[in-house]
Amino acid sequence: GQNIDQPTEMTATEGAIVQINCTYQTSGFNGLFWYQQHAGEAPTFLSYNVLDGLEEKGRFSSFLSRSKGYSYLLLKELQMKDSASYLCAVRGQAGTALIFGKGTTLSVSS
Amino acid sequence: DADVTQTPRNRITKTGKRIMLECSQTKGHDRMYWYRQDPGLGLRLIYYSFDVKDINKGEISDGYSVSRQAQAKFSLSLESAIPNQTALYFCATSDFWRGGVSETQYFGPGTRLLVL
Repeated sequence: GQNIDQPTEMTATEGAIVQINCTYQTSGFNGLFWYQQHAGEAPTFLSYNVLDGLEEKGRFSSFLSRSKGYSYLLLKELQMKDSASYLCAVRGQAGTALIFGKGTTLSVSS
Repeated sequence: DADVTQTPRNRITKTGKRIMLECSQTKGHDRMYWYRQDPGLGLRLIYYSFDVKDINKGEISDGYSVSRQAQAKFSLSLESAIPNQTALYFCATSDFWRGGVSETQYFGPGTRLLVL
């Protein structure tokens, strides 16, 4: 079977750093994606990992360990606008549709 | 103009009615997808299409059908709507996977459907 797990909810304060974890079990692996989704809006692409290691993009970084079936999204210098759901998604076989986790709702408070 | 558009954005219908949700894209992508999103369940794949002659069932295709009228258009139909099909529906597109290059999916704004 295919399964993607991530925490349901997280809270943090402005200016802090938060790490959102994702573990996956899929048939094959051809990339892991992170999306951000504000309430009532479409998911928007944040990052992509296909090789082990860290990908940095401004305040956001994403890490992948294929041997552990594990990824995390790191958000630095949190802002109120970062309050959203963060979706972990995996492509199992090349050229197939993404499989999504249920998402982690992050609440940032002042 | 938005690259991926969905119509209608909101729809209320009654049990047993047939309805169609439409998706259009100007990104020139070959691949199109329909997902539904429910609170606590995340995004689940209904159908996907890799070109105009290709249709594939996703995780939860029962009660739904699709039509790929052109490269740019992909419609989702509910033949006889039922209340548990109340959800937020998203269309997405992606380009052909070229080994080693990410095939990122881009989402439309969503259609909020309520079945009474």
